[in-house]
Amino acid sequence: GQNIDQPTEMTATEGAIVQINCTYQTSGFNGLFWYQQHAGEAPTFLSYNVLDGLEEKGRFSSFLSRSKGYSYLLLKELQMKDSASYLCAVSSGGSYIPTFGRGTSLIVHP
Amino acid sequence: GAGVSQSPSNKVTEKGKDVELRCDPISGHTALYWYRQSLGQGLEFLIYFQGNSAPDKSGLPSDRFSAERTGGSVSTLTIQRTQQEDSAVYLCASSPVEGRNTEAFFGQGTRLTVV
Repeated sequence: GQNIDQPTEMTATEGAIVQINCTYQTSGFNGLFWYQQHAGEAPTFLSYNVLDGLEEKGRFSSFLSRSKGYSYLLLKELQMKDSASYLCAVSSGGSYIPTFGRGTSLIVHP
Repeated sequence: GAGVSQSPSNKVTEKGKDVELRCDPISGHTALYWYRQSLGQGLEFLIYFQGNSAPDKSGLPSDRFSAERTGGSVSTLTIQRTQQEDSAVYLCASSPVEGRNTEAFFGQGTRLTVV
């Protein structure tokens, strides 16, 4: 099976930078995804990492270290609309079915 | 349609009744997933359809749960003899290809409440 761990809740200030960590244990790792989910809405795709290193996409960046079973999502220049749950998901095995962590609820305050 | 469509958006049912939840994936997407999300919990995988191959049912929590995908498009998740612990948001997602890391597009979900 897979074990995916991320903090339950984080708070940050508008305009600041926040890093949301995700650790995982799995065999047959294929890739790691980050999704954003606003309250009452569907999850939406942010990024995925297959190889080690940093993937940058606008204000959001995602990092992966396969040897450490570790990833983080970095959000820069935080805006109030970034208040949401951030879901880390790991794909492994031949089926490529993503397994999700419990999500990190990010609260951005003025 | 432009996105994944699920119906109904909300369903309240009495304990012991059967329910059917529907998912219309994005046209042309060959992979389809069902997940459920309980309050404060992560997404729990239920079942995965991949093209014409046999579905991966490894996440179904009991034999009261079943799902079909007709013609490689619309999928129906059926829960028989519903229990209160079945109350959750049931999310459907589709991807353009199977067997590869691709973005999953989620529907808005069906909020099921068993009373």
